[in-house]
Amino acid sequence: NAGVTQTPKFQVLKTGQSMTLQCAQDMNHEYMSWYRQDPGMGLRLIHYSVGAGITDQGEVPNGYNVSRSTTEDFPLRLLSAAPSQTSVYFCASSYRSGGANTGELFFGEGSRLTVL
Amino acid sequence: GENVEQHPSTLSVQEGDSAVIKCTYSDSASNYFPWYKQELGKRPQLIIDIRSNVGEKKDQRIAVTLNKTAKHFSLHITETQPEDSAVYFCASLKYNFNKFYFGSGTKLNVKP
Repeated sequence: NAGVTQTPKFQVLKTGQSMTLQCAQDMNHEYMSWYRQDPGMGLRLIHYSVGAGITDQGEVPNGYNVSRSTTEDFPLRLLSAAPSQTSVYFCASSYRSGGANTGELFFGEGSRLTVL
Repeated sequence: GENVEQHPSTLSVQEGDSAVIKCTYSDSASNYFPWYKQELGKRPQLIIDIRSNVGEKKDQRIAVTLNKTAKHFSLHITETQPEDSAVYFCASLKYNFNKFYFGSGTKLNVKP
């Protein structure tokens, strides 16, 4: 198992450009999510999904878009990048049972995004 | 929503000493509390977790305690080693609500 795979690992954008961070997992997890990590602020939830076709907002969703067409993939789109979106982004997935999360989040390796 | 506060933000200990990191949470319905370790440049990885029906859990040199009445939980690392140096995050979850809330992290430095 590869676990959770994120691409790209590094990206530099100019203000106003768009891009997509890719996330794929091979553990058949229903739950997938995106976090951003900023110094001194821990991990903040951007968007999450509990299955194909189902997505919802987290704590900091503004400026980001997601979709979930398959169980395996959960891309994060930045439609018009801003310097405030400079951060390290982590995708994470989790097993669910009985319609609820049961525990451990498995993280990808992270994507470092710089917006100039 | 839930608010998770974590202290201290940095912690420096001598090798062999114990380290304690504390977190408080605001939502009394939260029922799952994991701890993650993140080494420099790496992904967070689960090191231990506790569910609300348990007061304490141990795994070799690490332990977590939970006080539901006071709404706080703590990570205890005994006999610290240089490889324990990392950033540690606490988190909370309500099973049916799909949102993990993380603390701001504690940078632990174990001096040889």
